[in-house]
Amino acid sequence: SQQGEEDPQALSIQEGENATMNCSYKTSINNLQWYRQNSGRGLVHLILIRSNEREKHSGRLRVTLDTSKKSSSLLITASRAADTASYFCATAGGSYIPTFGRGTSLIVHP
Amino acid sequence: DTGVSQNPRHKITKRGQNVTFRCDPISEHNRLYWYRQTLGQGPEFLTYFQNEAQLEKSRLLSDRFSAERPKGSFSTLEIQRTEQGDSAMYLCAHNRSTQYFGPGTRLTVL
Repeated sequence: SQQGEEDPQALSIQEGENATMNCSYKTSINNLQWYRQNSGRGLVHLILIRSNEREKHSGRLRVTLDTSKKSSSLLITASRAADTASYFCATAGGSYIPTFGRGTSLIVHP
Repeated sequence: DTGVSQNPRHKITKRGQNVTFRCDPISEHNRLYWYRQTLGQGPEFLTYFQNEAQLEKSRLLSDRFSAERPKGSFSTLEIQRTEQGDSAMYLCAHNRSTQYFGPGTRLTVL
């Protein structure tokens, strides 16, 4: 079973626009991570946010976490064609075993 | 480079045959994970090792699946009597909170 559920399932934008993806989960967590996957380079870790954190930044990425709503969002600013990929959230509880959602497929048109 | 290599990268086999995959993390982090990913889905947890001890197995890991990590470094995943439903990408990852994934082994069962 998959804990996190990303929304939307698919997102298509123009280069330069911002992309926002959301993740909702059901049980309490220790941390939440976002990953990117494209066919050429496999799964790549983007950012980890702990349950006591509300926001983290990494370059053009901004992640928020609202534990009261059991949700997280990933914002990619000034998107590029190279950002085209599937994005997954993964939640981890006490065992630190990440449970992945089904992902959001992002297409950035040049 | 995530520091994880997997071999083979692709495996085509006939139903009923046994297959074995290998995962080699460059650095010897304590934890090593196996996941399975099918098209349109996120990775699904199969099992993980803390050093050479297999600490948790998913319900997805039927009796036909066995994993080992004999010296706490590399790991193998064997599937006996393969079925068409076993066709998937098998991913290996290491580390604890932040997972570093290998490129995966794509299994096709004919």
